[in-house]
Amino acid sequence: NAGVTQTPKFRILKIGQSMTLQCAQDMNHNYMYWYRQDPGMGLKLIYYSVGAGITDKGEVPNGYNVSRSTTEDFPLRLELAAPSQTSVYFCASSYAGSNQPQHFGDGTRLSIL
Amino acid sequence: QKEVEQNSGPLSVPEGAIASLNCTYSDRGSQSFFWYRQYSGKSPELIMSIYSNGDKEDGRFTAQLNKASQYVSLLIRDSQPSDSATYLCAVGGGGADGLTFGKGTHLIIQP
Repeated sequence: NAGVTQTPKFRILKIGQSMTLQCAQDMNHNYMYWYRQDPGMGLKLIYYSVGAGITDKGEVPNGYNVSRSTTEDFPLRLELAAPSQTSVYFCASSYAGSNQPQHFGDGTRLSIL
Repeated sequence: QKEVEQNSGPLSVPEGAIASLNCTYSDRGSQSFFWYRQYSGKSPELIMSIYSNGDKEDGRFTAQLNKASQYVSLLIRDSQPSDSATYLCAVGGGGADGLTFGKGTHLIIQP
């Protein structure tokens, strides 16, 4: 029972490089989310999706893109990485929107140097 | 802008005592309330969810909600060293968008 799986766990990027953070869930959840967490801070919503083909911006979407081609997968794309994107990224899923608990992956720790 | 406020701590509590964690939120339309525990370097783990005014108990944990005061709390009875972690309060508006998180309270249980 994998739940929410994120890859990679750690990554170091150079300024200007691009990468995709992978997220997959096996719970058949329609709702999926990407958050970032900076040291000593709460989680900030980057993007979310209510189902395949449907995505929307959260509180801090600049510098990121997402796609949702299947129910299971919700990758997060960083274009032209900047030092301000150094953070821990968490993917989460839920059965039905913000009235239901969200289940989190283990996170991706990303450093931009 | 929805806001969730928590005292960042650290909150230091002796082993076996009751730990009390508090959270206030700004959006009166909020419908769902969650407490997550996060160990250092790990992902948030759901501890409690509460949706209506009053108390909800689960083992050593009790969540309390007062919508009129826009206040949520988490009580941990018989605190154990393994309860030492950061506790995140999260609030949902009932829509499709994500939860709004507080910055978390760092709890230290002293043996």
